[in-house]
Amino acid sequence: QVQLQESGPGLVKPSQTLSLTCTVSGGSISSGGYYWSWIRQHPGKGLEWIGYIYYSGSTYYNPSLKSRVTISVDTSKNQFSLKLSSVTAADTAVYYCARGRGYPGRWYYFDYWGQGTLVTVSS
Amino acid sequence: QSALTQPRSVSGSPGQSVTISCTGTSSDVGGYNYVSWYQQHPGKAPKLMIYDVSKRPSGVPDRFSGSKSGNTASLTISGLQAEDEADYYCCSYAGSYVVFGGGTKLTVL
Repeated sequence: QVQLQESGPGLVKPSQTLSLTCTVSGGSISSGGYYWSWIRQHPGKGLEWIGYIYYSGSTYYNPSLKSRVTISVDTSKNQFSLKLSSVTAADTAVYYCARGRGYPGRWYYFDYWGQGTLVTVSS
Repeated sequence: QSALTQPRSVSGSPGQSVTISCTGTSSDVGGYNYVSWYQQHPGKAPKLMIYDVSKRPSGVPDRFSGSKSGNTASLTISGLQAEDEADYYCCSYAGSYVVFGGGTKLTVL
């Protein structure tokens, strides 16, 4: 059974960089066939896809966040990470990591999710 | 890219059927047979209920079904049960990125 767990600071100051890590257990990121994803949910709102990464390092990002987002992978630790720069209060949200599935070039659904972590942007 | 359009809320009585719509464009829902649906209970992570428009992952009851016509996808829940009360989100491939719907709150009366 694949499990994902987010970790990182729950409070980030405006203009700083939000950094989160997702640790995967029960399966290897390096095995391929999946895109490892970040998704967020603003308080009381819907889901927003941030981006995903393949074990090889290939990435896709939401065009609306692309200029501020970096997703990286560390296969030796079976982890992948999110960095979101120049944050504002509008980036306050629950951040989820998830395993993305689909077809070559068309990765689009998420079958395993972490429990989510609330990140608040405030001074 | 805009979020897919879902009704804010739907409701039904136990045993009844409800359908939740998800409207996009020819660039997402209408352009691909790659629509998924998620159920989210309060304070919990979303759970995959449907993928590839109408396929159910193992363990999802066959009371849940999906379909698509043109730019609109639909999730139908038949034989409503109290535990189906939750938020539901649709999601579509949109050509190198992914877009979610705004979510629908299902109330079981």
